[in-house]
Amino acid sequence: QVQLQQSGPGLVKPSETLSLTCTVSGGSISSFYWGWVRQPAGKGLEWIGRIYSSGITDYNPSLKSRITMSVDTSKNQVSLKMTSVSAADTAVYYCARVGGYAMDIWGQGTTVAVSS
Amino acid sequence: DIQLTQSPSSLSASVGDRVTISCRASQSISNFFHWYQHKPGQAPKLLIYAASSLQRGVPSRFTGSGSGTDFTLTISSLEPEDFATYYCQQSYSSPRTFGQGTRVEIK
Repeated sequence: QVQLQQSGPGLVKPSETLSLTCTVSGGSISSFYWGWVRQPAGKGLEWIGRIYSSGITDYNPSLKSRITMSVDTSKNQVSLKMTSVSAADTAVYYCARVGGYAMDIWGQGTTVAVSS
Repeated sequence: DIQLTQSPSSLSASVGDRVTISCRASQSISNFFHWYQHKPGQAPKLLIYAASSLQRGVPSRFTGSGSGTDFTLTISSLEPEDFATYYCQQSYSSPRTFGQGTRVEIK
């Protein structure tokens, strides 16, 4: 079955770049959208954006100026980069497969703290 | 952006209770609408997609209904493992927004 394994640092300094990777196993990355969602502590889920396997992106306008998503089909990976992070970006970040229109398979989550 | 408003924000219920959670969209979204269950320390789990379709492996006590702007998630008989936060989400347009969540607690 398809599984998503997330990786990336748990601590990022203010003003630096957050980089997370989601490695897909048990299936191909092709022909799917792959999304990112985050949850700050004590708050709800926030949709960050999505990327199709061809590289077409769809970002949340509230974050669009700071985020870049990419795919590496050779490695079956999806990546998220967020620049100029601040304490407000401290959250648990999730990647997920968009099957049909819903996010049907999720990564385990990565807790990212922004702190000096 | 399409706003999703869930009600109630939280509720207390007992095992065996019937629970209903509502979600209202700020504009019509047809059936581009989904429900997720989220427990602390775990990834969200898709329960219902396309407003009323049960995701594979999800118990049949979960049902979704609605179309347009008003949607409902019903748990017919609450089990101990159902205590969690439930979120609705729309995929009609971008950004794909979530509701603010409904926390289901043990009475």
